Amino acid sequence: AQTVTQSQPEMSVQEAETVTLSCTYDTSESDYYLFWYKQPPSRQMILVIRQEAYKQQNATENRFSVNFQKAAKSFSLKISDSQLGDAAMYFCAYRPDGATNKLIFGTGTLLAVQP
Amino acid sequence: KAGVTQTPRYLIKTRGQQVTLSCSPISGHRSVSWYQQTPGQGLQFLFEYFSETQRNKGNFPGRFSGRQFSNSRSEMNVSTLELGDSALYLCASSASSGSVAGANVLTFGAGSRLTVL
Repeated sequence: AQTVTQSQPEMSVQEAETVTLSCTYDTSESDYYLFWYKQPPSRQMILVIRQEAYKQQNATENRFSVNFQKAAKSFSLKISDSQLGDAAMYFCAYRPDGATNKLIFGTGTLLAVQP
Repeated sequence: KAGVTQTPRYLIKTRGQQVTLSCSPISGHRSVSWYQQTPGQGLQFLFEYFSETQRNKGNFPGRFSGRQFSNSRSEMNVSTLELGDSALYLCASSASSGSVAGANVLTFGAGSRLTVL
């Protein structure tokens, strides 16, 4: 069975600094998708970034980028120039390829941004 | 474009009762998924519907059920409520259920917070 592990329950970063959130996963599949979702106190889950396993190039969305290491089954999220609005719970998620939208989530990392 | 709408946002029930939660997906989205979020178990997949058919089901007891209507709106029902059913129930919609890149991004609603007393 596929699993997703986030080993950092909480992280803190100074405003304008850079922070990296870790995520590892376990799967025997070769094709799959990985996501980072953000859940602020308002509870609405928001997609931050996604990565297709067949793409070697790391995904980037403005201040957010990933370091995808397929062989190591690692998928970390880097947030550059952190802003107060980045404070939230961040979830790493795995989705197998095929006709499904089932996501397997990690336990989340609570990110605090200090002014 | 309206987002995913979940109703009710908050509700309180007592043990043994049943509850029905509703989810209206983004217009044009045919896939709806449900997740349960609790502090202890985290985010767990409940089930997924596509074109009125259940495509996948998570590891939950039969008390949890759902359905999808022809307009893609979905409902989930929990019967004989237990204290452990207290949770945030999240609904998410997607344009399709398949491997087409870009079409499988889930958009989540704000959730329904269920408290069982």
